[in-house]
Amino acid sequence: KAGVTQTPRYLIKTRGQQVTLSCSPISGHRSVSWYQQTPGQGLQFLFEYFSETQRNKGNFPGRFSGRQFSNSRSEMNVSTLELGDSALYLCASSQSWLADGTDTQYFGPGTRLTVL
Amino acid sequence: QQQVKQSPQSLIVQKGGISIINCAYENTAFDYFPWYQQFPGKGPALLIAIRPDVSEKKEGRFTISFNKSAKQFSLHIMDSQPGDSATYFCAASMVPVYQLIWGAGTKLIIKP
Repeated sequence: KAGVTQTPRYLIKTRGQQVTLSCSPISGHRSVSWYQQTPGQGLQFLFEYFSETQRNKGNFPGRFSGRQFSNSRSEMNVSTLELGDSALYLCASSQSWLADGTDTQYFGPGTRLTVL
Repeated sequence: QQQVKQSPQSLIVQKGGISIINCAYENTAFDYFPWYQQFPGKGPALLIAIRPDVSEKKEGRFTISFNKSAKQFSLHIMDSQPGDSATYFCAASMVPVYQLIWGAGTKLIIKP
């Protein structure tokens, strides 16, 4: 099975612009989560989608948004970019069907966003 | 209450030695504790995970020890190899796993 894919891998934007990142989950996985990774703050949860619905949201401003399509692919959007948004954005997918709820999250390689 | 504290920040171990990384959590509602390994340029990959109903779980050279009363858990890497050099993250979550709360990471270097 192909792993989680994220596009683009690298992105350079300027302050004030907006950006859209894409994530294709492992085939059959219905849950997609997004995380931001920075040297200063580490890994922080952004949001999680299941069957096109946002089930859980982290503590990020409204400039960060996402959506999930019927084929489970997901996009996240960041509007009005700030310098502090420079980070590695990671997408993870899981089956979200295990009875004990401990479905493993499988991560993609991330999109490296640089805001100038 | 949502924090997971991880130590040490960095660790150097000789080849063949035991690498030990520790984590502590505050939220007693957490009941799923995974460890992830991340190589440069890659996303994190699950190594091993534990639920609080067991005190230890072993998979190959990797062992999680869990102390529910102390709210601590640790990763032991036996017979550490240069290929184990990576950044290791502990995490915690309630079940079902919607979101992971992460430790700050430990950069492990195994010296040949």
